[in-house]
Amino acid sequence: GAGVSQSPRYKVTKRGQDVALRCDPISGHVSLYWYRQALGQGPEFLTYFNYEAQQDKSGLPNDRFSAERPEGSISTLTIQRTEQRDSAMYRCASRPSLFSKTGGRNEQFFGPGTRLTVL
Amino acid sequence: AQSVSQHNHHVILSEAASLELGCNYSYGGTVNLFWYVQYPGQHLQLLLKYFSGDPLVKGIKGFEAEFIKSKFSFNLRKPSVQWSDTAEYFCAAGNAGGTSYGKLTFGQGTILTVHP
Repeated sequence: GAGVSQSPRYKVTKRGQDVALRCDPISGHVSLYWYRQALGQGPEFLTYFNYEAQQDKSGLPNDRFSAERPEGSISTLTIQRTEQRDSAMYRCASRPSLFSKTGGRNEQFFGPGTRLTVL
Repeated sequence: AQSVSQHNHHVILSEAASLELGCNYSYGGTVNLFWYVQYPGQHLQLLLKYFSGDPLVKGIKGFEAEFIKSKFSFNLRKPSVQWSDTAEYFCAAGNAGGTSYGKLTFGQGTILTVHP
């Protein structure tokens, strides 16, 4: 597609349920980032991948959060046993290779986000 | 610890007024700096970026920002705002190297409201 897509755009779930959030990056982009944005705050880094390898997961708040990108393209962020404090906008971004002709060196392209509400 | 601070949470201006949004960062090592914008109902878009070289960078829609290393600042400016500039603006800093290359730290955002 032309841009980063995320699904679902909105997710309402009950406390204790598991949720899976999907990110489809721009075709050919090698790096993929996940951020979480609470209301009134800026996005906060969660984790990122180069191809299928998870390079940094230091921002994942606890072991209920996990992410994967098994084929180096689509990524899934999974939250197990959701809690109300998990309610936020979850944003995905992708970045081309630093060596690509169109690579904007560290410019990340963001998707529309998934608004998660945990009741 | 890495951090980015934006001075104002909400700025209200009339059309044609000049704009300056403050951003300060605290970062170890070489840093890349960005301003992103989110228009109502849309996703984050890059306004401009600084990697190296000329500290005055120009972005889209007439925006510019100045990197002042001695002040750890990267303020966003526009000489004359339009109603269509109403949006939320985020300053961000990113690692310029290392294993977490590209990891961005964002400020808390500034909501800009421009009255016609």
